Amino acid sequence: DAGITQSPRHKVTETGTPVTLRCHQTENHRYMYWYRQDPGHGLRLIHYSYGVKDTDKGEVSDGYSVSRSKTEDFLLTLESATSSQTSVYFCAISESTDRGEQFFGPGTRLTVL
Amino acid sequence: AQSVTQLDSHVSVSEGTPVLLRCNYSSSYSPSLFWYVQHPNKGLQLLLKYTSAATLVKGINGFEAEFKKSETSFHLTKPSAHMSDAAEYFCVVSDRNFNKFYFGSGTKLNVKP
Repeated sequence: DAGITQSPRHKVTETGTPVTLRCHQTENHRYMYWYRQDPGHGLRLIHYSYGVKDTDKGEVSDGYSVSRSKTEDFLLTLESATSSQTSVYFCAISESTDRGEQFFGPGTRLTVL
Repeated sequence: AQSVTQLDSHVSVSEGTPVLLRCNYSSSYSPSLFWYVQHPNKGLQLLLKYTSAATLVKGINGFEAEFKKSETSFHLTKPSAHMSDAAEYFCVVSDRNFNKFYFGSGTKLNVKP
C-alpha cells in the first residue's frame, strides 16, 4: 500500500470553528489532492498541489484553503466550518508519469454541528 | 470539459452471474480512464486503468473494462459475481495533463446469495 496517512481520522466540531486536516505521504509523489465525498456525488476535488507551495483550486474550493510547505505534507483548512462541510475527506497522491494513477488515504470523517 | 456519467446508481445481481457497470465519458482528447472500488467504510482501491495501450484492460479480482472511443464508453464487467464484490464503484477520467481527475457519481453493486 502507498504510504498515505490522514489525521485526524474522525472529528466533530461546531459551526464557526477553524479545522485543519493533514495528509502525509512517504512516496515522494509530486501531486497531492483533497477530495470530499458526499452521497450521490462521488468524489469532488477541493484543491490540489503540483509541488511545494504550488496549489490550485478544484471544483468545490469555496470555504477551503490549502498549504504545502513540504513535499510530504498537504494541509486542508476550513477557516470557519459550516454544516455543509460535514463530509468524508480523502487525500490522494499521484505522479503524472503514471498517466495519473492515484493512491488514496483512509479518509477523515468530519462532522460540523 | 471532461465529465463522467455512470448510468446506474444501483445494480443488483445474483452471486455467480455476470456484472456490468456502465460508464460514459466526455473528453476532447484521449484521456486516462480508471475504475476504483470502495468497500463500506473503506478507502478507494484501483481496479484497473486505461492509458492508451490495449483497449481491453484487465484488472484485479477478475474485473475487466473495454475502452470504446466511438461510443465514449468504458464499461466494467466481470463474468461471475462474488459476494465480496458488493461495494461502490467509481469511474474516473483524467484531464489532458493527467493531473486532475473527474469522478462519476458512483454505482453501488449489491450481490444476492
